[in-house]
Amino acid sequence: KAGVTQTPRYLIKTRGQQVTLSCSPISGHRSVSWYQQTPGQGLQFLFEYFSETQRNKGNFPGRFSGRQFSNSRSEMNVSTLELGDSALYLCATRGDPNSGANVLTFGAGSRLTVL
Amino acid sequence: GDSVTQMEGPVTLSEEAFLTINCTYTATGYPSLFWYVQYPGEGLQLLLKATKADDKGSNKGFEATYRKETTSFHLEKGSVQVSDSAVYFCALSTSGGGADGLTFGKGTHLIIQP
Repeated sequence: KAGVTQTPRYLIKTRGQQVTLSCSPISGHRSVSWYQQTPGQGLQFLFEYFSETQRNKGNFPGRFSGRQFSNSRSEMNVSTLELGDSALYLCATRGDPNSGANVLTFGAGSRLTVL
Repeated sequence: GDSVTQMEGPVTLSEEAFLTINCTYTATGYPSLFWYVQYPGEGLQLLLKATKADDKGSNKGFEATYRKETTSFHLEKGSVQVSDSAVYFCALSTSGGGADGLTFGKGTHLIIQP
């Protein structure tokens, strides 16, 4: 079955702009999580969505937001971009977390550069 | 809060050498433990996992044993190959079916020389 698909793979924005990233999960996976990866901070949890509801949120400012659609696809949005938002944004999906599914499958990531 | 500590490297070894990447953790409750691997330009792939004390996860010649008494989950491989060059992440999850994300270590960059 197809893997986790993230688009776009690469993008360049300038400070103050906003960006939207997309993630399509593996068929049957209903939970989508987002992580930010930077050389300095490593991998940090942003948020998780399941059944179109945000289940949990990491320690990021309100400029970072997300949503999930009825087909389980998810988008994350970053508004008022700052230089420090430059990172690889990884999407990870899993089955029903309420059933104990805790193995994540990651996409290849969207690399955002803010100039 | 939960945390994972691992050597960051880079760790440079010759082909066929023995590999150990140390990982220790701090967590409330009884976490599940994971090793993920990231090849250049790619996302993370699950390498192995263990869900309870004394479990041994294994895959592709890699092994790690969940040691509750030392809160460790060290990754080992008897004979590494050039193709094993990648970044390796130790991670934990205390949620099981709960809502929390994975907590990752900073990653260990492994370089295998022919």
